[in-house]
Amino acid sequence: GDSVTQMEGPVTLSEEAFLTINCTYTATGYPSLFWYVQYPGEGLQLLLKATKADDKGSNKGFEATYRKETTSFHLEKGSVQVSDSAVYFCALSDGGATNKLIFGTGTLLAVQP
Amino acid sequence: DADVTQTPRNRITKTGKRIMLECSQTKGHDRMYWYRQDPGLGLRLIYYSFDVKDINKGEISDGYSVSRQAQAKFSLSLESAIPNQTALYFCATSGGPGQGDQPQHFGDGTRLSIL
Repeated sequence: GDSVTQMEGPVTLSEEAFLTINCTYTATGYPSLFWYVQYPGEGLQLLLKATKADDKGSNKGFEATYRKETTSFHLEKGSVQVSDSAVYFCALSDGGATNKLIFGTGTLLAVQP
Repeated sequence: DADVTQTPRNRITKTGKRIMLECSQTKGHDRMYWYRQDPGLGLRLIYYSFDVKDINKGEISDGYSVSRQAQAKFSLSLESAIPNQTALYFCATSGGPGQGDQPQHFGDGTRLSIL
């Protein structure tokens, strides 16, 4: 079945460092891909999405490109801030009638001042 | 006001008790979902519903039941709680039939502890 694999955390960075969180997927069809962020004590918020190959999703300085050839959707940010500390989830939707999401295990990012 | 509201936010209870977690939404979405989050496992789907008459099991439905009382309300019940159901529970909604790029919108979660 469909699945999502993302790098284990925690990822600890200094402020203004470059961030990459790797995400790869397995899917039989043409999924949509998402990054969600969970701040402490809160629910998940959609950070960005991409619906087809080569699409780039971007929001709040974060970017991810849908790479069909490598089945990847890596999250990047050029300069992280302390306020970016959170858990990041990569997810896919099969695009079918159910619109179910399949999540990766989440990656904790801690940014130090 | 939040678009997706979960109650209670926290609950501590004992093994064997019946528990109901409630979710209501003001987004007008037809689709609603219940997930549980466990450390190192991400979020796993328990049940989902397309409308009041359409309820479907997710990947981990054993030990849980749901009720879709109205388009805006979707409750999750644990008939006889056990300690390994201790987790963070999320409700989510989405719109658009057959539109896989419709993102899901999440509540703030219910932290459930079963002693």
